[in-house]
Amino acid sequence: NAGVTQTPKFQVLKTGQSMTLQCAQDMNHNSMYWYRQDPGMGLRLIYYSASEGTTDKGEVPNGYNVSRLNKREFSLRLESAAPSQTSVYFCASSGQGSGNTIYFGEGSWLTVV
Amino acid sequence: GDSVTQMEGPVTLSEEAFLTINCTYTATGYPSLFWYVQYPGEGLQLLLKATKADDKGSNKGFEATYRKETTSFHLEKGSVQVSDSAVYFCALGTNAGKSTFGDGTTLTVKP
Repeated sequence: NAGVTQTPKFQVLKTGQSMTLQCAQDMNHNSMYWYRQDPGMGLRLIYYSASEGTTDKGEVPNGYNVSRLNKREFSLRLESAAPSQTSVYFCASSGQGSGNTIYFGEGSWLTVV
Repeated sequence: GDSVTQMEGPVTLSEEAFLTINCTYTATGYPSLFWYVQYPGEGLQLLLKATKADDKGSNKGFEATYRKETTSFHLEKGSVQVSDSAVYFCALGTNAGKSTFGDGTTLTVKP
C-alpha cells in the first residue's frame, strides 16, 4: 500500500547547494508530476512526465531539472538552490485519461537559507 | 487555456452547519472534475469525482454535481464535523494529460 513515496521529508539547504528529491510509485502509472505548494499560491506544476522517457515543463520549471529514470521513478533536482525555492514539494502519479485520479506523495518540506 | 476558479477562503463554520464551496471551470472539450482534500501535514487525496455532465460524485457525506450548463462543480455537505477541517481543491482533468487545480479553500470547523 505504498502508493507514491518521496524522500526526503524535510531538508534545509544553503543558497547555492544542490539536491535531488526522489519519488517512486508502485501503481504502474504512466504519468508522474512534480508540484510545489506555497502559501496562498495553491499548487503549481513544475514538470511532468507523460510516460517513461518523456518529460515536459509545467508552469514554473525555472531552476529545476527532472529525470524519469524508469516507469516507477521521477526525480527533481535543484542545481543551485535559492531562497525562492523554499516550498513544499509534492510528487504525484496517475493513469492516462481525463478521469484518472492523481495520487500524491506526503510532501517534502524544503527550506533554503 | 483550462482554468479552475474556486471560492476564496478561509471558511469558518460551526459543527453541523451546511457547507458549500463554489467551483467553476473553463475548459475545451469534456473534462473530468475532481475535489481533492488536504489534511494538515499531508498530501492531497481524492475526495470525489465526476467524469461527465450531470454526474454526481459523493463520498463521506460530501457531494458535487457536474453542471455543464453553468460550468460548475460546487462541493456541499449537509452537516460538517470538526474532522472536516482541511484545505479543499477543485480540479479538472483532460485527455491532454495535465490537470488544472484551483487555489484551494481552507475550511475550519469549530465545535
